[in-house]
Amino acid sequence: AQSVSQHNHHVILSEAASLELGCNYSYGGTVNLFWYVQYPGQHLQLLLKYFSGDPLVKGIKGFEAEFIKSKFSFNLRKPSVQWSDTAEYFCAVNARSGYALNFGKGTSLLVTP
Amino acid sequence: DTEVTQTPKHLVMGMTNKKSLKCEQHMGHRAMYWYKQKAKKPPELMFVYSYEKLSINESVPSRFSPECPNSSLLNLHLHALQPEDSALYLCASSPVGSGSNTDTQYFGPGTRLTVL
Repeated sequence: AQSVSQHNHHVILSEAASLELGCNYSYGGTVNLFWYVQYPGQHLQLLLKYFSGDPLVKGIKGFEAEFIKSKFSFNLRKPSVQWSDTAEYFCAVNARSGYALNFGKGTSLLVTP
Repeated sequence: DTEVTQTPKHLVMGMTNKKSLKCEQHMGHRAMYWYKQKAKKPPELMFVYSYEKLSINESVPSRFSPECPNSSLLNLHLHALQPEDSALYLCASSPVGSGSNTDTQYFGPGTRLTVL
């Protein structure tokens, strides 16, 4: 069965700490990979995406993610978080042959001043 | 511009009411989606329209009825809902339909629905 798992459900970091959020997927075939962010009271925004090519992708607000095909992983990273990064982060995957965007359960990030 | 708009922002309705949610995009996207998101949970796909035709219905109860009047507009008609249907209803759109290798979904702000 197709699935997306995010390892950390709640993460608390101090400002300037480095961030890495894990995402693993279980899919047959070629996939597209996404990270979305949902700030408190706001809608889902696309942080970054991977379709093909360079497995290290850069997104908005200093975020980046690395696709490791052998590990079926697409981890999100940021070298130095800010208080404004407090949000819910969702990893999402869809198979290239279809529509359905399957989300992981999300990781709630709290950045303390 | 990657804007998807949704109205209303908030909706409170009784179990016997009929109401509609509206979603609009003017990006020329050909696929539009309805998702349901409960608090602290990921969005769950409900319906997909591709080129104004219903492509996916994820076994959604008939009290939810989608409609795509044109390529820019997507409605969700609600009737005889239950309190457990209270959630954030998200609309999304993507540039192309099935078979594309590089489709990206863009989400609207959602309608927060409360069923009393």
